[in-house]
Amino acid sequence: ETGVTQSPTHLIKTRGQQVTLRCSSQSGHNTVSWYQQALGQGPQFIFQYYREEENGRGNFPPRFSGLQFPNYSSELNVNALELDDSALYLCASSLGDLTENGYTFGSGTRLTVV
Amino acid sequence: SQQGEEDPQALSIQEGENATMNCSYKTSINNLQWYRQNSGRGLVHLILIRSNEREKHSGRLRVTLDTSKKSSSLLITASRAADTASYFCATDAHTGGFKTIFGAGTRLFVKA
Repeated sequence: ETGVTQSPTHLIKTRGQQVTLRCSSQSGHNTVSWYQQALGQGPQFIFQYYREEENGRGNFPPRFSGLQFPNYSSELNVNALELDDSALYLCASSLGDLTENGYTFGSGTRLTVV
Repeated sequence: SQQGEEDPQALSIQEGENATMNCSYKTSINNLQWYRQNSGRGLVHLILIRSNEREKHSGRLRVTLDTSKKSSSLLITASRAADTASYFCATDAHTGGFKTIFGAGTRLFVKA
């Protein structure tokens, strides 16, 4: 079992709704990070979880929240969706001390808010 | 903005030529990484250089790091059409909590 898997691949939501995105870490990885990538931009760090605890957070409002489970899979929850939340959401996993292999990214979830 | 800066924003070269991309960052770092992204999908890790290293090679890739100037460069030698992609640098920093900061990216187009 290799790689990071994200679900769903595409999603359309209405402004004001809530959404949950899911990520399965690469086997053996205990750290998961979430990013938001707008079209034509670099990924923006949302937060990182290490062994089920949040250990870093970017400049995102509290309506962006997350969880990491004992099997190191993770969820990203976004409440009260806004049009500007439309983006590609990327999940990445790693070992706690980053190795030469860097972060392993999933293929992302494309969220469209209408 | 939290993001680092990369230049050029876009680069178009002929197959066989070398491509050089530069990255600048703002905070103290533990390491700097380079990633490639095709067609807005997941990022693929290319190379990681630690803050105590100055140069690293991997196949056709050469990365340099100058921590005094807070900058890095990625050189792709003998480019191929398959190298067409967006390239991002990323830095891990532990100041004010852990963060990974990505640059805005360089869009590389290699013409066959």
